[in-house]
Amino acid sequence: GENVEQHPSTLSVQEGDSAVIKCTYSDSASNYFPWYKQELGKGPQLIIDIRSNVGEKKDQRIAVTLNKTAKHFSLHITETQPEDSAVYFCAASIEGRGSTLGRLYFGRGTQLTVWP
Amino acid sequence: DVKVTQSSRYLVKRTGEKVFLECVQDMDHENMFWYRQDPGLGLRLIYFSYDVKMKEKGDIPEGYSVSREKKERFSLILESASTNQTSMYLCASSETGRGSYEQYFGPGTRLTVT
Repeated sequence: GENVEQHPSTLSVQEGDSAVIKCTYSDSASNYFPWYKQELGKGPQLIIDIRSNVGEKKDQRIAVTLNKTAKHFSLHITETQPEDSAVYFCAASIEGRGSTLGRLYFGRGTQLTVWP
Repeated sequence: DVKVTQSSRYLVKRTGEKVFLECVQDMDHENMFWYRQDPGLGLRLIYFSYDVKMKEKGDIPEGYSVSREKKERFSLILESASTNQTSMYLCASSETGRGSYEQYFGPGTRLTVT
């Protein structure tokens, strides 16, 4: 099955700096790559996703990039704020015909801490 | 507003007890999932279900079973709880088709087995 690796496991940045979290995947058939944010005491929540026909996607201070050749995708957060502190998970999946019914393969997570 | 609810936020059980964790979603989703979350190990899939009375093993099904008698409800069962099953348990749901596999998570149940 798919194997997703995520780095770093912990990341500390000063407020206003940028944060980058990187993931790699093993299955070349994967074509959907979501990112989830988990705040303390809550379940993970989707914050952004990208599909394989797109190289980059932005949503305000958050961006995701995808390199299908290298099987690598990254989350970029600019102008970080203390409320960005959370655990972030990357995931990979196969959408479309023959897909595994919406199963997501998650990375192990990154604890991001933004210091004021 | 979409909602996935889990029956308990915190649960303490004794070794050998049978434990039921309940999950209910109100979005008419076909797919439901049970994960356990441990520090440094991320989200590990225990079981998932894509229809009523259907189930599929995830990556760590040993020691667990599931039940899905109604579309909105997915139960995780620990037949004989052990201390190594102390963990955070997360339920999620998603719909099939429509090009989006976004999973909606419940708040989690922190289970302690003593």
